[in-house]
Amino acid sequence: QQQVRQSSQSLTVWEGETAILNCSYENSAFDYFPWYQQFPGEGPALLIAIRSVSDKKEDGRFTIFFNKREKNLSLHIKDSQPGDSATYFCAASSGSWQLIFGSGTQLTVMP
Amino acid sequence: EAAVTQSPRNKVTVTGGNVTLSCRQTNSHNYMYWYRQDTGHGLRLIHYSYGAGNLQIGDVPDGYKATRTTQEDFFLLLELASPSQTSLYFCASSEKQDTQYFGPGTRLLVL
Repeated sequence: QQQVRQSSQSLTVWEGETAILNCSYENSAFDYFPWYQQFPGEGPALLIAIRSVSDKKEDGRFTIFFNKREKNLSLHIKDSQPGDSATYFCAASSGSWQLIFGSGTQLTVMP
Repeated sequence: EAAVTQSPRNKVTVTGGNVTLSCRQTNSHNYMYWYRQDTGHGLRLIHYSYGAGNLQIGDVPDGYKATRTTQEDFFLLLELASPSQTSLYFCASSEKQDTQYFGPGTRLLVL
């Protein structure tokens, strides 16, 4: 039983397109949703995060859209660049130290 | 930015072997974590600690022990390694309950 689910294991887009990575969750108590970015050979690193009181969080080319009623969220990467090629993990927590991670989406941006 | 280092970066052992993975963080974070990363499963929490001498069980603890000897050092022990423990292991630390800082990972192969 996966508490945090990422529907796509992989996604390929062309340079300049908007990549959309989807995530859903089951536990209504989750109130913090970070996205981590991982490059090959490295550990994951926090990219952007949102709290459940908001429905949108933007940081440069990266935007999280959050739908509390539907228990899903998405990460939009505008004007995708080859350097954005990485694995993206959606995660969730309920006010505690523990993060529950999804299985990840491997994004490839073709030049 | 938090610095988390792991050693060794790669390890090969045989079934039944004894393995110790080391993690050190230099920012005096209270929380430290051990995860394993496997394709299709994302990051799964093995053990965590909120201070020297403290140890808490994560979601997939079977076959693993851990010890937090100091604020900086957290060790993961596999006393009777099995092929199912072949994986990529990450250590992470955090001060607040939000952002976790990950090390570069240790790739373990159990033959």
